[in-house]
Amino acid sequence: AQSVTQPDIHITVSEGASLELRCNYSYGATPYLFWYVQSPGQGLQLLLKYFSGDTLVQGIKGFEAEFKRSQSSFNLRKPSVHWSDAAEYFCAVVGDNAGNMLTFGGGTRLMVKP
Amino acid sequence: GAVVSQHPSRVICKSGTSVKIECRSLDFQATTMFWYRQFPKQSLMLMATSNEGSKATYEQGVEKDKFLINHASLTLSTLTVTSAHPEDSSFYICSSLAGGTDTQYFGPGTRLTVL
Repeated sequence: AQSVTQPDIHITVSEGASLELRCNYSYGATPYLFWYVQSPGQGLQLLLKYFSGDTLVQGIKGFEAEFKRSQSSFNLRKPSVHWSDAAEYFCAVVGDNAGNMLTFGGGTRLMVKP
Repeated sequence: GAVVSQHPSRVICKSGTSVKIECRSLDFQATTMFWYRQFPKQSLMLMATSNEGSKATYEQGVEKDKFLINHASLTLSTLTVTSAHPEDSSFYICSSLAGGTDTQYFGPGTRLTVL
């Protein structure tokens, strides 16, 4: 069965600084990988996804993520964080099990200092 | 595109009553819908998977008689929490999967508080 680990529960960065949120997955083959963002009291918004092809994927709101098979990682990055980026970020994976079921990481809460 | 709505956004009910939550895919047909619950400061936990026109598949530990799921059309799934108790208080989120895709689109969630 697949699993996802987000090692950092909380991260605080200054506005304008760069950001990297870590995500490691455990799965035998190449999974489908996703990053979602959740603002307080809201549902999840898809930031980006990786299925195949170019390992560097661009998403919305200036985010990008890089799939590294050798490290079983799919880290999310943004070169310059804005105060509105403060939210909870979830990495998720879909394996080859039936039904396209997502397995979520525990989430990383991003706080942005002015 | 890919907009999913949920209604209501917040509901407060008395213990012992039933609450119905609706999940709609507004601009696409969802062959599969998922229901999650999320406790404060925690990740999402899948409760069940529903396919249009068939019975839902529940995750281990989720009582199917307590959390009734109906997916009567390609755009609507409902979750009914029967005989709700305070421990059922949670944030319930649905997602929809369009046919032929591998991406789930999430609703805005429903905050249920059981007094």
